[in-house]
Amino acid sequence: NAGVTQTPKFQVLKTGQSMTLQCAQDMNHNSMYWYRQDPGMGLRLIYYSASEGTTDKGEVPNGYNVSRLNKREFSLRLESAAPSQTSVYFCASGLDYEQYFGPGTRLTVT
Amino acid sequence: TQLLEQSPQFLSIQEGENLTVYCNSSSVFSSLQWYRQEPGEGPVLLVTVVTGGEVKKLKRLTFQFGDARKDSSLHITAAQPGDTGLYLCADTGANNLFFGTGTRLTVIP
Repeated sequence: NAGVTQTPKFQVLKTGQSMTLQCAQDMNHNSMYWYRQDPGMGLRLIYYSASEGTTDKGEVPNGYNVSRLNKREFSLRLESAAPSQTSVYFCASGLDYEQYFGPGTRLTVT
Repeated sequence: TQLLEQSPQFLSIQEGENLTVYCNSSSVFSSLQWYRQEPGEGPVLLVTVVTGGEVKKLKRLTFQFGDARKDSSLHITAAQPGDTGLYLCADTGANNLFFGTGTRLTVIP
């Protein structure tokens, strides 16, 4: 089992560019999540999907969109990147509050 | 808005020492989880505590949940370099996890 995988691992964007972060899980979990982690801020929830076909906003959704493509895959899109979106992004999947995290994507927006 | 404060923010100790880190909430926890995050990786769940006063042990780690379910502590006995990492507490909340800011622990060989 690979668990939760994320691509890419690193990315540098210029302000205004767009990109999609990919996430996949092989644990057959219904729920999937996207977080961002900034120094001194802990992890903050961007969006989550409680089941295939549903998505909901978390604490910091502005500037992001998500797609739950199927049960395995949950992508995060930045339509017009801003320097404030420089962060480390983690995808997670879960069952009954036990969440399993991917290795993260380190994104820098210049 | 819930506030989850973890203390200390940074902790550096020698191998073999004992340590305790704390997690305090401005409101009652639904249930509380502790995670450890190593550099370059995602957080890994260590334990979930649910009942006030609950104590759980995981090898050299002891987790305690306050009687009023507004605070928790993590005690590590005889710390080892492999314990180095960011320790995060999280409230399970209504639908999702709400994380504290973490304690960054360094164990020096």
